[in-house]
Amino acid sequence: DTGVSQDPRHKITKRGQNVTFRCDPISEHNRLYWYRQTLGQGPEFLTYFQNEAQLEKSRLLSDRFSAERPKGSFSTLEIQRTEQGDSAMYLCASSPSGTGLRGYTFGSGTRLTVV
Amino acid sequence: AQSVTQPDIHITVSEGASLELRCNYSYGATPYLFWYVQSPGQGLQLLLKYFSGDTLVQGIKGFEAEFKRSQSSFNLRKPSVHWSDAAEYFCARPHQTGANNLFFGTGTRLTVIP
Repeated sequence: DTGVSQDPRHKITKRGQNVTFRCDPISEHNRLYWYRQTLGQGPEFLTYFQNEAQLEKSRLLSDRFSAERPKGSFSTLEIQRTEQGDSAMYLCASSPSGTGLRGYTFGSGTRLTVV
Repeated sequence: AQSVTQPDIHITVSEGASLELRCNYSYGATPYLFWYVQSPGQGLQLLLKYFSGDTLVQGIKGFEAEFKRSQSSFNLRKPSVHWSDAAEYFCARPHQTGANNLFFGTGTRLTVIP
């Protein structure tokens, strides 16, 4: 068990480009969460999966954002037509079923810089 | 929605001194409360959590926190700070009762001076 893995660690992109991040949860964790953390702020919830089903989405998740977890294992977060305001750390977390908030484990995050 | 507030943006303490980081929570039934630590450029690590029962909670790395309903607080403490404790500390609670996602405070940055 290597923990929650996120790839890439850093991404620099030009405004208007599309970017995709990947999260590999702890194996057999069926719950997966995405958060966004801007400079000087705490993480903010974006979306949550149980297995492959996306059960909850924050209003922060605009139409330019889409998240998938096609086989209930890894997840991807795509941002289309990036804007400078999208610059942030994108954090993924996972937990086993039945533990909910008690069993959260966070990854190290993907830092996105939009120039 | 339920929330938490961390009044202190930045705290500086000397190595070996005691530490208390403040966290206040908004109204609600007995809340679930968490403290996380984040080192620069890293993800978040859970220090401790409170769900019910004993109001004094022990965590990792020598940290503890005390739930005080009368003060709507869940302050984090450590009797003797080490230089490696320098980091950002976040208090968190469920966004609403029964929610699977967390609402985080804005964080307190801890600087430790020799």
